Amino acid sequence: AQRVTQPEKLLSVFKGAPVELKCNYSYSGSPELFWYVQYSRQRLQLLLRHISRESIKGFTADLNKGETSFHLKKPFAQEEDSAMYYCALLATNAGKSTFGDGTTLTVKP
Amino acid sequence: DTGVSQNPRHKITKRGQNVTFRCDPISEHNRLYWYRQTLGQGPEFLTYFQNEAQLEKSRLLSDRFSAERPKGSFSTLEIQRTEQGDSAMYLCASSPWVGGRTDTQYFGPGTRLTVL
Repeated sequence: AQRVTQPEKLLSVFKGAPVELKCNYSYSGSPELFWYVQYSRQRLQLLLRHISRESIKGFTADLNKGETSFHLKKPFAQEEDSAMYYCALLATNAGKSTFGDGTTLTVKP
Repeated sequence: DTGVSQNPRHKITKRGQNVTFRCDPISEHNRLYWYRQTLGQGPEFLTYFQNEAQLEKSRLLSDRFSAERPKGSFSTLEIQRTEQGDSAMYLCASSPWVGGRTDTQYFGPGTRLTVL
């Protein structure tokens, strides 16, 4: 069975501070991991995926298979980063994605 | 193409009534997904199609739920004999299927269902 856990429902940081949103997963195979973001009154959209190994809006995420984690990091948070963030897992050769319950990030001025 | 669209955006119905939602994916995407999201939770997978074929259904999808994608383009999700527990946001997403693997999913705005 697949499971994605985001331990923090709410996370609040000040502008300019580093931020880390945690994501842990359980899956017996080799998954693909994603971070999706939902800004206020907007639809869910992809932020980044681990196979791309790119930085989007200053965010990065590294897949750690040993710790089964895919934490999202940004060294200097901005107010416009305030949003709901979801970690998701796509099983190998499957169409089904499993989402975590999300973390609401608030960046205070 | 303005992305994935869903209609209606909101639906209020009485318990026991049937409802149908529509999803129009991005035109060149051959995979289409339905998810359900309740307050405080992430999207839960319901079912997905590749072209017109329904490839997987979640155990969450009771017999009262049925989804179709008759021509491999738009899809409908019908809920029969609605119950208050069906109240949720129903999300549709589409993706290309390239080289035997699922690519990025693009989500619609969702249909919010309220069952009174």
